[in-house]
Amino acid sequence: DIVMTQSPESLAVSLGERATINCKSSQNILYSSNNKNYLAWFQQKPGQPPKLLIYWASNRESGVPDRFSGSGSGTDFTLTISSLQAEDVAVYYCQQYFSFPYSFGQGTKLEIK
Amino acid sequence: QVQLVESGGDVVQPGMSLRLSCEVFGFTFSSYAMYWVRQTPGKGLECVAVISDDTTNKIYADSVKGRFTISRDNSKNMVYLQMSSLRVEDTALYYCATASMTTFDYWGQGTVVTVSS
Repeated sequence: DIVMTQSPESLAVSLGERATINCKSSQNILYSSNNKNYLAWFQQKPGQPPKLLIYWASNRESGVPDRFSGSGSGTDFTLTISSLQAEDVAVYYCQQYFSFPYSFGQGTKLEIK
Repeated sequence: QVQLVESGGDVVQPGMSLRLSCEVFGFTFSSYAMYWVRQTPGKGLECVAVISDDTTNKIYADSVKGRFTISRDNSKNMVYLQMSSLRVEDTALYYCATASMTTFDYWGQGTVVTVSS
């Protein structure tokens, strides 16, 4: 099974500042035949299910603000929030969908400093 | 508007069985695979089972293999998770989810399963 490891576990950032969350997979999740990384990012707020933000490592889901961006390839990935807003306080998860069981990172709790 | 509604969660004793249900609205249900994902404070998010659109393929996480069975009824837009030989570590919030494009883009609100003596 592929293990996803996120860092840091928690993060406090001032409003308007940049937030960066890292994710590392235990195996390469870049599929060579289509050159796509099978990596997604989710946001979860209390009492809600996870919400898909980013897929194919860098594609924003419809309706997701452009301050959210994803990057990386192979085994190392990053979620960046360019200018933190109050509504971005949440837990963020990376997830691989390269092979079943699709696995998630342990989560990064993002708070306002 | 796509909506997934889970039901069936309960408090049960170890070794007992339980069946979860998920009804899907506003979606071409029969065209997509369906998943059950569970969440606990300790282990986080875990995808436990998937069933293909036509029911021919079913895959389980090792943690539930041989104990859980996923099924679906495309005529009713329903997906089920039959859980048997429940363990304390199966205690979780269980979501049904689907991946219409790439990965889990639609989720229900979840149903709580508590396994305790």
